[in-house]
Amino acid sequence: QPVLTQSSSASASLGSSVKLTCTLSSGHSSYIIAWHQQQPGKAPRYLMKLEGSGSYNKGSGVPDRFSGSSSGADRYLTISNLQSEDEADYYCETWDSNTHLFGGGTKLTVL
Amino acid sequence: EVQLVESGGGLVQPGGSLRLSCAASGFTVSSNYMSWVRQAPGKGLEWVSVIYSGGSTYYADSVKGRFTISRHNSKNTLYLQMNSLRAEDTAVYYCARDSETYYYDSSGYRYYYYYMDVWGKGTTVTVSS
Repeated sequence: QPVLTQSSSASASLGSSVKLTCTLSSGHSSYIIAWHQQQPGKAPRYLMKLEGSGSYNKGSGVPDRFSGSSSGADRYLTISNLQSEDEADYYCETWDSNTHLFGGGTKLTVL
Repeated sequence: EVQLVESGGGLVQPGGSLRLSCAASGFTVSSNYMSWVRQAPGKGLEWVSVIYSGGSTYYADSVKGRFTISRHNSKNTLYLQMNSLRAEDTAVYYCARDSETYYYDSSGYRYYYYYMDVWGKGTTVTVSS
């Protein structure tokens, strides 16, 4: 089964952009993933589905500031014009052999 | 509006049982794959179980043999029966709707994927004496 690897933390300034990475383990570089956002004390929220081609589909109500891209085994979530409410944990997720798999999550701090 | 509302969490002693419910609105539970996910205090998300629209069920190794996922079609509700609870089962439990997607590889084979596109607000389970 694939392993999804995320950096444990990231930070960026208000109004700037940040690119979060989710890396699929060897042999699984074609996998589709989903990105989820979890603000402090809240439930996760689906952000987007992201293919290996870089094509992505966002969930209802997800701001245009959120976009996705891919390169090989890496899946990216880019947040532009960072807002204070973007401070959250971000998780990537995929599917394999009747199982959902999550990355460890990246804690994003907005400075 | 598509919505999931969990209930049934609480404090239970080690070895005890609890049944969680997840009431859906705006879509039909039995027509979708549905999952349970948990989050221990200060930890990341952990998938627990999935039930297919056809009724097949799958579990994480950590809960296999102790937890049972099911649904009641006329109530449009998903359940998680949790038996032989342990301290390490302490977590917020979320239900989620799975959506289906696919892609074609270079040989034209279609691979199906499922991802969670609707989440409930969660219910807290605490296992402690």
